[in-house]
Amino acid sequence: AQSVTQPDIHITVSEGASLELRCNYSYGATPYLFWYVQSPGQGLQLLLKYFSGDTLVQGIKGFEAEFKRSQSSFNLRKPSVHWSDAAEYFCAVGPTHAGNMLTFGGGTRLMVKP
Amino acid sequence: NAGVTQTPKFRILKIGQSMTLQCTQDMNHNYMYWYRQDPGMGLKLIYYSVGAGITDKGEVPNGYNVSRSTTEDFPLRLELAAPSQTSVYFCASSYSSGLQETQYFGPGTRLLVL
Repeated sequence: AQSVTQPDIHITVSEGASLELRCNYSYGATPYLFWYVQSPGQGLQLLLKYFSGDTLVQGIKGFEAEFKRSQSSFNLRKPSVHWSDAAEYFCAVGPTHAGNMLTFGGGTRLMVKP
Repeated sequence: NAGVTQTPKFRILKIGQSMTLQCTQDMNHNYMYWYRQDPGMGLKLIYYSVGAGITDKGEVPNGYNVSRSTTEDFPLRLELAAPSQTSVYFCASSYSSGLQETQYFGPGTRLLVL
C-alpha cells in the first residue's frame, strides 16, 4: 500500500529565510504528487501538483517542489518565507488502490519568526 | 461563489449520540468526499460520491453513513458517536475523478465526543 511520510512535524524559520519541507512516499508506480496548505481555520488549498514531465514544479504563492524518483521524495521549497506562510502543509500521493483518491502525509506545521 | 461550506464549525457530542455533518458545494462538482484528520495522521478518506445517488466507502467508513440526494449536498451521519470519532472532518469536491482535477476543501468541522 502507498504511504506518505513527512518527517518534520514542526518547523520554525525566520521571516525572509529559505524553507524546505520534506516529503517521502512509497508507491508502486509513477505517482501523482501534491502539496496542500491549511491556514488556521481554513480548509486545504492546493499549492502545486506533479503528474509528469519537468520534475521541478512551480506552484502558487512562490512555492516550488522537486520530484526525485531515485529518492522517492517530493520536497517543497520557498526561497524567502513570509509571515503569512505560517500554516500546516500536507503532501499527498495518488491514485490509491480504491481509485483516484489521495493518501495524505501527517503534515508539517510551519511557524515563522519575525 | 462560496465554494465548499460545512456546518457546524464545532460540536461536542456525548457517547452514543448521533449527528449529521452538513456539506454543500456550489461549483456543480460531480465528486464529493469526506475526510477525517487526526493529529499527526494526515487526512483519511471516509466516504466519497461520484454523483447524486452514488456513494462508496473510503479507507475508514466504519461508524459513518452518507447519502447524496442532490449534486450540491453530501451529509455525513454519525449514528452512535464514540470517542474514537473525535476528529476534524473535511468535505471536499472536484469536477471529475481524475487526479488532474483539483479537490476543493471546506473549512472543516471539529467534533469532540465525550
